[in-house]
Amino acid sequence: EAGVAQSPRYKIIEKRQSVAFWCNPISGHATLYWYQQILGQGPKLLIQFQNNGVVDDSQLPKDRFSAERLKGVDSTLKIQPAKLEDSAVYLCASSLERGSIGTFGSGTRLTVV
Amino acid sequence: AQSVSQHNHHVILSEAASLELGCNYSYGGTVNLFWYVQYPGQHLQLLLKYFSGDPLVKGIKGFEAEFIKSKFSFNLRKPSVQWSDTAEYFCAVNEVTSGTYKYIFGTGTRLKVLA
Repeated sequence: EAGVAQSPRYKIIEKRQSVAFWCNPISGHATLYWYQQILGQGPKLLIQFQNNGVVDDSQLPKDRFSAERLKGVDSTLKIQPAKLEDSAVYLCASSLERGSIGTFGSGTRLTVV
Repeated sequence: AQSVSQHNHHVILSEAASLELGCNYSYGGTVNLFWYVQYPGQHLQLLLKYFSGDPLVKGIKGFEAEFIKSKFSFNLRKPSVQWSDTAEYFCAVNEVTSGTYKYIFGTGTRLKVLA
């Protein structure tokens, strides 16, 4: 089966600019996750969707981060405005079953300068 | 706050040596447990997972892990490592509370296997 697709692979922006990441999960996977992985740390869950509804966004910095999954399939994560500390790899994952962390995409490496 | 601890940040082994990577978590309720591996230049891949049942879990590539509830641990083991096991290993815990799930990853252990 096709994996989790993410784009772009790399992005460099200046602080205070905006950026968006896209994720297409594995077909049929109802649950979709966005994670942030800062260098030297483990992934941190930002937001979890079940179909097009948000299940958990408790760790999403809502003053600058937003995410949507309008049709219950692909999803976008946006940062506006970006800060230097947002430099990280943004990982998308999807799963069939709730309670499972999921299958990961290759991630988008964001550098904020 | 709940946490996941991976005590070994860097491990260097020779081929054929045995491996044990520690993972401890702090949540006292129901948990699902996972080990993920990230090979150089690749994305995170699931090695094994524990939801319930036999606390000794077999995964891919000869890895296994044992859930010891009394010790809040889920250590990863492999009896004989290979050069191709060089990677970063992440322990993750899914804390289940009233049907909701909270996911926490450890900081990872970088394993280098010398040929």
